Amino acid sequence: NAGVTQTPKFRVLKTGQSMTLLCAQDMNHEYMYWYRQDPGMGLRLIHYSVGEGTTAKGEVPDGYNVSRLKKQNFLLGLESAAPSQTSVYFCASSSGTGTANYGYTFGSGTRLTVV
Amino acid sequence: GEDVEQSLFLSVREGDSSVINCTYTDSSSTYLYWYKQEPGAGLQLLTYIFSNMDMKQDQRLTVLLNKKDKHLSLRIADTQTGDSAIYFCAERTSGYSTLTFGKGTMLLVSP
Repeated sequence: NAGVTQTPKFRVLKTGQSMTLLCAQDMNHEYMYWYRQDPGMGLRLIHYSVGEGTTAKGEVPDGYNVSRLKKQNFLLGLESAAPSQTSVYFCASSSGTGTANYGYTFGSGTRLTVV
Repeated sequence: GEDVEQSLFLSVREGDSSVINCTYTDSSSTYLYWYKQEPGAGLQLLTYIFSNMDMKQDQRLTVLLNKKDKHLSLRIADTQTGDSAIYFCAERTSGYSTLTFGKGTMLLVSP
């Protein structure tokens, strides 16, 4: 029972490099989300998806792109990393907005440092 | 837009009760959640309450909801050192697929 799996767990990038963070869920959830967590800022929504093939912008989408080609996977891309993108990134999934709603299931996070 | 506010820090002694408070602004919130984050880990759902309820109890956890004042609280009875963590309040508005989180309250439990 894996839940939500994020890879990699840690990464150091140089400014200008690109990378992709992978999120995989095995709960057949429709909705998936990418958040970043910074000290004193709480969790901020980057992008989210309400189904395979769909994506939407969140609160802080600039500098990031996402894709949801398969229902179980949600990819977060950084095309040209900047030091301001140093953060802990969390992926989450949920079953949707139905009445039996138990909120999100979170992955364990990816700690990214951009130098 | 929606806003969720929490106090940033709470310190208690082991065995005492802890009360973590949260206020929210969106009167159309349908579900309100409490998440726990231990150091180096993701967020774990602790409990949730539907907006037509005013109280929910789950073992040592009691959630109180005052819809009139848009105030949510989490009471942890007999707090243990293992309860030391960051606690996040979150709210979901009807028809929306995203949660709005507070900045989190760091709970420190001393022996």
